[in-house]
Amino acid sequence: DAKTTQPNSMESNEEEPVHLPCNHSTISGTDYIHWYRQLPSQGPEYVIHGLTSNVNNRMASLAIAEDRKSSTLILHRATLRDAAVYYCILRTSGTYKYIFGTGTRLKVLA
Amino acid sequence: DTAVSQTPKYLVTQMGNDKSIKCEQNLGHDTMYWYKQDSKKFLKIMFSYNNKELIINETVPNRFSPKSPDKAHLNLHINSLELGDSAVYFCASTSVTAGAQYNEQFFGPGTRLTVL
Repeated sequence: DAKTTQPNSMESNEEEPVHLPCNHSTISGTDYIHWYRQLPSQGPEYVIHGLTSNVNNRMASLAIAEDRKSSTLILHRATLRDAAVYYCILRTSGTYKYIFGTGTRLKVLA
Repeated sequence: DTAVSQTPKYLVTQMGNDKSIKCEQNLGHDTMYWYKQDSKKFLKIMFSYNNKELIINETVPNRFSPKSPDKAHLNLHINSLELGDSAVYFCASTSVTAGAQYNEQFFGPGTRLTVL
């Protein structure tokens, strides 16, 4: 199973952009990059996913390096409600399994 | 309407007891999962069912027995509970027929199991 590496924790000020990095140097051509987040006392929730191209949705943007060995989740304006653990996950096309890593705990300062 | 629901939300029991956790999804998904999140917050997959058939079984002790009576339900029965079983158990669901590239998982609120 492909693995990801993320910083244990990050801090951001409210209303500022946040860039959450993820390294996945062993990624294969059929691995999709998924991001989930887990708010306190809740189950994980989907944020965004991509394969090769950068992706945008209402929650965030995903920037994928050209060699696909790393990616960055971008929250354009952090709010206090964005404080959570953010997980970067690789999922091989055709498989149904997510392998969660340790994630990055994001703290948003008012 | 809650998409993925679990009962109970909290479960406190003695070592050696047998207990069940139930999960239901109303999203029309065909695949359901059980995850365990321990005290260090590691989230680890345990089982997955697709159309009522077991497709993932991750070296979980055989005291844990999942059961899927239909596509919308996945239950987890645990025999002879041990202290190490204390954790939060999350149910999740997805649709694998929507296309292999997009398998967003929807998670339930979790069941916090405490074994005394």
